[in-house]
Amino acid sequence: EVQLVESGGGLVQPGGSLRLSCTASGFTFSNYNMNWVRQAPGKGLDWVSYISSDSSTIYYADSVKGRFTISRDNAKNSLYLQMNSLRAEDTAVYFCAREPSGELDYWGQGTLVTVSS
Amino acid sequence: QPVLTQPTSLSASPGASARFTCTLRSGINVGASRIYWYQQKPGSLPRYLLRYRSDSDKQQGSGVPSRFSGSKDASTNAGLLLISGLQSEDEADYYCGIWYSNTWVFGGGTKLTVL
Repeated sequence: EVQLVESGGGLVQPGGSLRLSCTASGFTFSNYNMNWVRQAPGKGLDWVSYISSDSSTIYYADSVKGRFTISRDNAKNSLYLQMNSLRAEDTAVYFCAREPSGELDYWGQGTLVTVSS
Repeated sequence: QPVLTQPTSLSASPGASARFTCTLRSGINVGASRIYWYQQKPGSLPRYLLRYRSDSDKQQGSGVPSRFSGSKDASTNAGLLLISGLQSEDEADYYCGIWYSNTWVFGGGTKLTVL
């Protein structure tokens, strides 16, 4: 069974940092591109970042470029999102999502990040 | 003008059909775009439903019933999600998405009420 489990969320002050993790199981993680997508409370889906299966290609949304860094460790079946210089508008549930061939076919349950003083 | 525009809400009766629209910004051709549809029930994670670009380029998500289908309206430059035989469990938010300029772009979502 495909499983994606996010962790690392929490309450952080504006300007602070947080590192999210997404642990994958039930499939060969190294064969899949991965994404982070977030959802602010009561709002829609907002894509954050993409990383290819071998980490050779990375993309970011303009809103997080220069502040967030996506990475992965295929040996540990893990995806990461390092978030620096956090702002109130980064408050959201952060989902990791698997991308086999264009579609985001499996999503994790999400981890809540709250940026507030 | 947003890349993708969706109506905020849609209502339909049980057993009826629902038609969701996802209008692409002028200059982005629906005929050349793979449009992905996702369902999200309250408090739950998004679920991939299907992909549609043409009848020869479409994909149903794993376990998604055939009463969910995709289409397009070239005259309005819109992708369509069609649900037939509506059930109360279909009540959810529905999002369209495309891969555009090396980013994923989602529509604002349409809330379906089945009443």
